[in-house]
Amino acid sequence: QSALTQPPSVSGSPGQSVTISCTGTSSDVGSYNRVSWYQQPPGTAPKLMIYEVSNRPSGVPDRFSGSKSGNTASLTISGLQAEDEADYFCSSYTSSSIRYVFGTGTKVTVL
Amino acid sequence: QVQLQQSGPGLVKPSQTLSLTCAISGDSVSTNSAAWNWIRQSPSRGLEWLGGTYYRSRWYNHYAVSVKSRVTINPDTSKNQFSLQLNSVTPEDTAVYYCARVAVAGSFDPWGQGTLVTVSS
Repeated sequence: QSALTQPPSVSGSPGQSVTISCTGTSSDVGSYNRVSWYQQPPGTAPKLMIYEVSNRPSGVPDRFSGSKSGNTASLTISGLQAEDEADYFCSSYTSSSIRYVFGTGTKVTVL
Repeated sequence: QVQLQQSGPGLVKPSQTLSLTCAISGDSVSTNSAAWNWIRQSPSRGLEWLGGTYYRSRWYNHYAVSVKSRVTINPDTSKNQFSLQLNSVTPEDTAVYYCARVAVAGSFDPWGQGTLVTVSS
């Protein structure tokens, strides 16, 4: 079972929008809405930002939004802020024996 | 608010057993609405789900194929915690290990603080 594919890095200026893609297969992202996104600043544990493709947990700013089309899920950060600089990972439930698969991770840099 | 607190050694010798514990506050390991998982993260393997345990009238365990022959995850209802044991470790098992709850639609929330485990003699 391969990891979900994410771009290694994306960057944007404060106030801009960035979008991170997460490409899987018909066995994971394409078949289930159990796609979630996590923010991980350096040296800290991941924090849930989006669950079930597009839902935000309480306390997560509405600048963060998620979507899915086919085998690819996306996380968009609108109105980029300096505090958004971190690594971001996607995750999906999978029908394989692994059950959960993670993305390769994307470093977001605020210019 | 649910919180997970990890404990365990940060250094394990090759061929020995890695053992970590995750203490739960704000929820119950025996709840019918969550599952309790272990995940690890390393530069070479990224984030890797190792397995989990949950209670639905009886206890269930699920493990990743990559570690299934070496891993055991057990609940401890008396202490409201769960544990990870990984046998016959090698340097490739060096990673930051996290415990995490799954309660909604396959999403991991919250996570423990992480434990860097180094396998070295």
